[in-house]
Amino acid sequence: AQSVAQPEDQVNVAEGNPLTVKCTYSVSGNPYLFWYVQYPNRGLQFLLKYITGDNLVKGSYGFEAEFNKSQTSFHLKKPSALVSDSALYFCAVSDRGSTLGRLYFGRGTQLTVWP
Amino acid sequence: SAVISQKPSRDICQRGTSLTIQCQVDSQVTMMFWYRQQPGQSLTLIATANQGSEATYESGFVIDKFPISRPNLTFSTLTVSNMSPEDSSIYLCSVGEKSTGMNTEAFFGQGTRLTVV
Repeated sequence: AQSVAQPEDQVNVAEGNPLTVKCTYSVSGNPYLFWYVQYPNRGLQFLLKYITGDNLVKGSYGFEAEFNKSQTSFHLKKPSALVSDSALYFCAVSDRGSTLGRLYFGRGTQLTVWP
Repeated sequence: SAVISQKPSRDICQRGTSLTIQCQVDSQVTMMFWYRQQPGQSLTLIATANQGSEATYESGFVIDKFPISRPNLTFSTLTVSNMSPEDSSIYLCSVGEKSTGMNTEAFFGQGTRLTVV
């Protein structure tokens, strides 16, 4: 069965500091991995994905994520946080063999960036 | 990327009534899904909306409670029937499209925030 763990409910960082939002996964076979962001009263917005190839994936708004197969992790990172990055972040996984677009989500991590 | 319009954006409903949520996509898509996000929780898949046939429901969700229609490749509805306060959630429509035989990201509507009183 596919599953995603986001071990931190909340991450707090100061503006300008680097940020990391953690994600580990469990999936049979090779995974498709995704990060989404949800702003208040909004739907989910796609940030980035890992399908194959380079382990370091770059996405929207300066975010990047590193796929680590041995640690089954896909942590989201940004070198310099902005107050506007404050939102709820979801990691998700899809099994290559599963229905296209069907995602399994982590419980979400609330990121707060203070000025 | 597909543009998804979801209606209504929010509603407050009396218990025992039903609400139908609409999801309109600006292009034909292969896959459409309905998710539920309960307060403070993650997203849970309710069902896959299949064009021209009955939806495929996940464990814990049944057609009588969450009837779904998908008459074509751009439109779907989800009905929340005989509502109770426990149905208060955000309901999200999602679409996925196949590209060159590989999986791709799913796109989401803005969601419907439902409050049952």
